[in-house]
Order: sequence, then structure tokens, then C-alpha cells
Amino acid sequence: EVLLVQSGAEVKKPGATMKISCKVSGYTLGDHYIHWVRQAPGKGLEWMGLIDPVDGESMYPEDFQGRVTIIADTSTDTMYMEMSSLNSGDTAIYYCAVVTADGHNPRFDYWGQGTLVTVAS
Amino acid sequence: QSVLSQPPSASGTPGQRVTISCSGTGFNIGGNYVYWYQQLPGTAPKLLIFRDNQRPSGVPDRFSGSKSGTSASLAISGLRSEDEADYYCAAWDDSLSGLVVFGGGTKLTVL
Repeated sequence: EVLLVQSGAEVKKPGATMKISCKVSGYTLGDHYIHWVRQAPGKGLEWMGLIDPVDGESMYPEDFQGRVTIIADTSTDTMYMEMSSLNSGDTAIYYCAVVTADGHNPRFDYWGQGTLVTVAS
Repeated sequence: QSVLSQPPSASGTPGQRVTISCSGTGFNIGGNYVYWYQQLPGTAPKLLIFRDNQRPSGVPDRFSGSKSGTSASLAISGLRSEDEADYYCAAWDDSLSGLVVFGGGTKLTVL
């Protein structure tokens, strides 16, 4: 059974940096792309980027380039998403998701449980 | 403003058939697969349709997807109370350096 278990909720101050983990089990981390998606309170889904755990190649949308870094630690089957310069607009639930087929396409077969990050002074 | 356009809301009565639309461009829907997700309150999204019209195992055949040109649709037949949820479409977009785009989501209410 494929499982993605994310780290717990966090409260951050404006300007701070957050780092969320996503530990995978039930398959080999290097086999599939991992994506990150966030959802602000009462809002829709927003894609934040992806990583190929095999070579560490990552892709980010323009809105997050330079502020978001996704890394893979294949030795511990854990993914990390780091975002800097936080502001109140970054308050959201952050999800990791696995794509098991279809290459880069957003076929998110499995999701983490989500991590709530609150940015407040 | 989402790249893919969905109606913000839809509704139906039990047993009815409901359709949710998703409109895009040739860079996303017109040239790539469409995926649909169901999100029940307080839970992570769940893959409902992949590759335009394929259902993962375990998804009832009441759910179906279709695509024509730069638009896609999700149909739910035999509507049930447990179908009340938010529904999102998604696709890869080739217009820039490549990225994933979502629709804004449709809140389905079962009356």
C-alpha cells in the first residue's frame, strides 16, 4: 500500500522559511515523480512544483520560482518542500502527491494527508 | 484567476445526471490529458478520472469523463448524497516552461 505521511502543522511568522516533509512508503521513491500542491482556506488547488527523485530535477511555476525548493532524500524515502519569505497569503494546506504514470501529467494517484501552515505575526 | 475555467457551483437531486465543464486552451486541454479530482470536506483530493476518460480502480462507473477540443466534462449519473463535494479539473500546460494547471473548482450540491 502506497502511503505518503507529511509532517505536522506549523505556525510561522512573516518573512520566515518553512520546510515540510513527506515520507513515502509502499514503493521506491525513485520510481515516480512527486508534486506539491497547496490550498488556501476556502480556495482551490494551486500547483507548486514537481521533482524527479532519481536525478533531483525539479520544475516550478513562475509564481514560486526562487522561493520554493523541492528536494528528495532517497536514502530515507522522504521529500521536502521549502518555501522562503512567507507572508499571510501563504497560509494554506500543503499536499505532496505521487504520480505513478503519465510522465509529467497531473495524475496524482496518491496524496499526503496535508500539512496546515499558518503565517501570522 | 485559474487557467482552466469551471463553473463555481452545480447542483442536482438524487438520481439525476450532472455535468461539470472545464474549459482551457490548445496549450493545456487541447494538447494534453485532462484529470479530474473529487475533494470531500476536510480531506485530500482523490483522483476520479485520468487520461480524459479513464477511471482508476474503485471509482464507480457513475463517473465519466469526456473531452472535445479545448473543453472537457465530468458527468455524474445516478447522483447520490455522498457525491456532494468539490470537483477540480487539471492538465499539463505547454505554454511556458511546462506546468500543471487546475480549474478553480466546482462545488456540487446534492439537493
